Amino acid sequence: GAGVSQSPSNKVTEKGKDVELRCDPISGHTALYWYRQSLGQGLEFLIYFQGNSAPDKSGLPSDRFSAERTGGSVSTLTIQRTQQEDSAVYLCASSREGLAGGTEQFFGPGTRLTVL
Amino acid sequence: SQQGEEDPQALSIQEGENATMNCSYKTSINNLQWYRQNSGRGLVHLILIRSNEREKHSGRLRVTLDTSKKSSSLLITASRAADTASYFCATARGSTLGRLYFGRGTQLTVWP
Repeated sequence: GAGVSQSPSNKVTEKGKDVELRCDPISGHTALYWYRQSLGQGLEFLIYFQGNSAPDKSGLPSDRFSAERTGGSVSTLTIQRTQQEDSAVYLCASSREGLAGGTEQFFGPGTRLTVL
Repeated sequence: SQQGEEDPQALSIQEGENATMNCSYKTSINNLQWYRQNSGRGLVHLILIRSNEREKHSGRLRVTLDTSKKSSSLLITASRAADTASYFCATARGSTLGRLYFGRGTQLTVWP
């Protein structure tokens, strides 16, 4: 597609339920990133994929969070047993490469997660 | 953890005025990038300045980088109401593959 897409755009769930968030990066982009943003805050890094592997998952806040990427393309972020503090906008970004030089990242519109 | 700190946190100006936002960071970097965010959703990349550059221009945007002071500034000239958004600086470190470190952002409001 023309840009990074994410689904769903909004998700309301009850505390304790599991949720899956999906990201479709720009075709050909080898690097994919997940961030989250709480209200009025900056972006908090969660995980970075290069191809299908995740060389940096240091930002995942707990073992309730996991992510995978298949075929070097689509990625899903799974949050198990959601808590109210998980409520945030989850943003996905992709870039042509994920080298240490740090290239421009292209962001999706985000998924707004609300845990009741 | 977040890397950059932008100031001011909020800036309110009239159309036609210039807007200057600053960013400070704590560790050595490969490059520094500025992003814009409308309505709390996806970010749009504005400009990237490398650690060996001191100034860069793109249209009405001017970015400076002072690595000795670990700071950067973003200047938007002749602002427009459509420039109203949050602006974030993000740094890329040589020691960390791929990821960017974002500040908390500056909320810019441009009044018509």
